[in-house]
Amino acid sequence: SAVISQKPSRDICQRGTSLTIQCQVDSQVTMMFWYRQQPGQSLTLIATANQGSEATYESGFVIDKFPISRPNLTFSTLTVSNMSPEDSSIYLCSVEVRGAAGNTIYFGEGSWLTVV
Amino acid sequence: AQTVTQSQPEMSVQEAETVTLSCTYDTSENNYYLFWYKQPPSRQMILVIRQEAYKQQNATENRFSVNFQKAAKSFSLKISDSQLGDTAMYFCAFVTSNTDKLIFGTGTRLQVFP
Repeated sequence: SAVISQKPSRDICQRGTSLTIQCQVDSQVTMMFWYRQQPGQSLTLIATANQGSEATYESGFVIDKFPISRPNLTFSTLTVSNMSPEDSSIYLCSVEVRGAAGNTIYFGEGSWLTVV
Repeated sequence: AQTVTQSQPEMSVQEAETVTLSCTYDTSENNYYLFWYKQPPSRQMILVIRQEAYKQQNATENRFSVNFQKAAKSFSLKISDSQLGDTAMYFCAFVTSNTDKLIFGTGTRLQVFP
């Protein structure tokens, strides 16, 4: 398994500002992901955070809006830039753990952002 | 296209009773993993149970078990002896060995009442 810590857990942000969310894992993992969950919705993958190279973004998400860092195998950050009320969501970090029994994906506690 | 369908937006069950949440999925891949996640009001996504597609035996975790029907692409979750703490959103998801990306269903809101 993996223990994933996310900061902040919750924040209220002013329109036009940027906020960086941190994700720390208690073990080295190859694959880290960032998801967004808008109110009342399911989860949508934003990007795969690649260690030592640029993140791989899904359709509809761009680096200028959601810059991601992955300096090592246990840590990643997601920045939500120039926020608008439409960015009010829960942002979740997840990791894939590969074991003898196969792959398992774990999530952090989530960061609940409200943009006013 | 890879999709997950949860046809029950809401379910309710009385405490100590059994409830089954349905999930169907679609993929052309043969190697994949299936998951059920629980999201309580705290919003954390908690792994409930996982199933390897190559295993015929249904996974079980205490009060939680699955009915995995690979040919029908069905992966239902059975919760036995329901408890008030089981009240949450439940998401069905799968990941293939090729992409490492989770595909989620829309979720089922489960209410356990006394």
